Amino acid sequence: KQEVTQIPAALSVPEGENLVLNCSFTDSAIYNLQWFRQDPGKGLTSLLLIQSSQREQTSGRLNASLDKSSGRSTLYIAASQPGDSATYLCAVKEGNNRLAFGKGNQVVVIP
Amino acid sequence: DAMVIQNPRYQVTQFGKPVTLSCSQTLNHNVMYWYQQKSSQAPKLLFHYYDKDFNNEADTPDNFQSRRPNTSFCFLDIRSPGLGDAAMYLCATSREVGRARISYNEQFFGPGTRLTVL
Repeated sequence: KQEVTQIPAALSVPEGENLVLNCSFTDSAIYNLQWFRQDPGKGLTSLLLIQSSQREQTSGRLNASLDKSSGRSTLYIAASQPGDSATYLCAVKEGNNRLAFGKGNQVVVIP
Repeated sequence: DAMVIQNPRYQVTQFGKPVTLSCSQTLNHNVMYWYQQKSSQAPKLLFHYYDKDFNNEADTPDNFQSRRPNTSFCFLDIRSPGLGDAAMYLCATSREVGRARISYNEQFFGPGTRLTVL
């Protein structure tokens, strides 16, 4: 059974610092990996999608890498801002169209 | 703007009283998903429709049912809610093509419905 782990569960950084969020998964037979943002009590906002054949994706200040063979992905957020405070969820796409999620990294950016 | 809409945003029901949650989308996506997310936990897939084909997860309780009357709408029915069913329910969509019926594309989520069971 696929297990997705995100460490640390929570972190705080001063404004302006770069954020590094880690995601690991146990079964490398994935179709893609998606990073989401979730604000308290809200739904999920898709940030980046990396197909299994890709190594990384970039969007603005966000960059996500994927090392499928080692079961790892990293989300980088450059020059963090207070508005980046949220929970960031990593999810891998398995067979039967199932997204297996991690529990998330809860981020606080301190002004 | 094209989007995924969920109604109501907050739903309160009584123990054992049937409840229906609604999801609609203007993205014209052919795949629709229902996830359950309990507090501080990861979202968990309950089931999904690939076009008209219903795909239930093996561990989804029989208490949970779904209907998709057309491409735009999908409903989640909880026949007899228990206290353990209190959660955020998330609807998502994606557009998929291909004979393998495997989704490679991005999933877009609605804002969720928070269900409280008294």
